Amino acid sequence: EPEVTQTPSHQVTQMGQEVILRCVPISNHLYFYWYRQILGQKVEFLVSFYNNEISEKSEIFDDQFSVERPDGSNFTLKIRSTKLEDSAMYFCASSEGTGDSPLHFGNGTRLTVT
Amino acid sequence: RKEVEQDPGPFNVPEGATVAFNCTYSNSASQSFFWYRQDCRKEPKLLMSVYSSGNEDGRFTAQLNRASQYISLLIRDSKLSDSATYLCVFYSSYKLIFGSGTRLLVRP
Repeated sequence: EPEVTQTPSHQVTQMGQEVILRCVPISNHLYFYWYRQILGQKVEFLVSFYNNEISEKSEIFDDQFSVERPDGSNFTLKIRSTKLEDSAMYFCASSEGTGDSPLHFGNGTRLTVT
Repeated sequence: RKEVEQDPGPFNVPEGATVAFNCTYSNSASQSFFWYRQDCRKEPKLLMSVYSSGNEDGRFTAQLNRASQYISLLIRDSKLSDSATYLCVFYSSYKLIFGSGTRLLVRP
């Protein structure tokens, strides 16, 4: 069964550094997402992406965050200057469409900011 | 009112028990609903979609009550492997909104 893959599985970085989290969505999916989950808290929406544009973003997704689909397969999340509170599990997801189409999630990248 | 509310649990049940979770949502325009399952420190995985007429998948039954704005999940004949957090999810404006989850512990 096709799956969403994310790298790295764990990233440790110092406060103020830039990080790039990488994702390869399922190949025939058109909609891409980033979510995050702080330990012990709920899964929170960050951003959705379709047709090389951001469809929607949350309040969390401020100017420090950006997304890119640099080629036909990768989908990246960049955090420009990490803060301690950015420490979380970051999940990439993709779907065939919107509405009735469920999201398929990758295994996640655990980001630790020290 | 929160967009989606779930009883956090935990629900602690013996193997073989039947257990039910409810979830309420505030956005009456929501059209699509799902139950996801999340194991500790893992990604959410789709358990089942929830249809207006109700739907069943093996031991799992999902129901939607639009008038009262809630969805439910019934698990029959609980297995140890059902121990997980069950996330109520609905679709809204290009994204899925997740509830905080209900934790289920199935004991031998």
